[in-house]
Amino acid sequence: SQQGEEDPQALSIQEGENATMNCSYKTSINNLQWYRQNSGRGLVHLILIRSNEREKHSGRLRVTLDTSKKSSSLLITASRAADTASYFCAPRQNNNAGNMLTFGGGTRLMVKP
Amino acid sequence: DAGVTQSPTHLIKTRGQQVTLRCSPKSGHDTVSWYQQALGQGPQFIFQYYEEEERQRGNFPDRFSGHQFPNYSSELNVNALLLGDSALYLCASSLAGYGFQPQHFGDGTRLSIL
Repeated sequence: SQQGEEDPQALSIQEGENATMNCSYKTSINNLQWYRQNSGRGLVHLILIRSNEREKHSGRLRVTLDTSKKSSSLLITASRAADTASYFCAPRQNNNAGNMLTFGGGTRLMVKP
Repeated sequence: DAGVTQSPTHLIKTRGQQVTLRCSPKSGHDTVSWYQQALGQGPQFIFQYYEEEERQRGNFPDRFSGHQFPNYSSELNVNALLLGDSALYLCASSLAGYGFQPQHFGDGTRLSIL
């Protein structure tokens, strides 16, 4: 099974700034998902991008996917203190017959008021 | 519409004991997955249940076992607990279908081994 590797491990920004986090993976995928986890809570699904898509938007979130570089990025625009959380990517391999998710260590985002 | 619920929220056990964690999936979901998340790390997949059978399994020893009931709820059992089993155990549910199924997570059970 493959997992994504998020970069940077930690990111600290001021409220109102944009936050960009990256994900790299190793083998072909059919989709890639991003999840958020607030401290001590479960993960929340943010967005799913399919292998034939290059960019997707959801509110203040923008996700890009470059299958030639095997990488994805998550951009949060106009960040808020409530965006403080850990963010994980989950690339899904083509031969993943079930629905298991594999995660890396995540990016810990802190948004200062 | 209730989301994924897990019980208990916190649990303290000692080495060698056995533990059972419970999960009720989101209404309408039929597939349940379990993850272990050590402090400061990402969740690691343990196994997934569908139609009361284990469909996929991660790299976890046989001490970790599970069950899914006809109402789709699930249990995770861990035998012969080790200090390294201390973690947040997350349950996630989804609707069966090949490919593009986001998973819905509960808030987990925090298991501490003394």
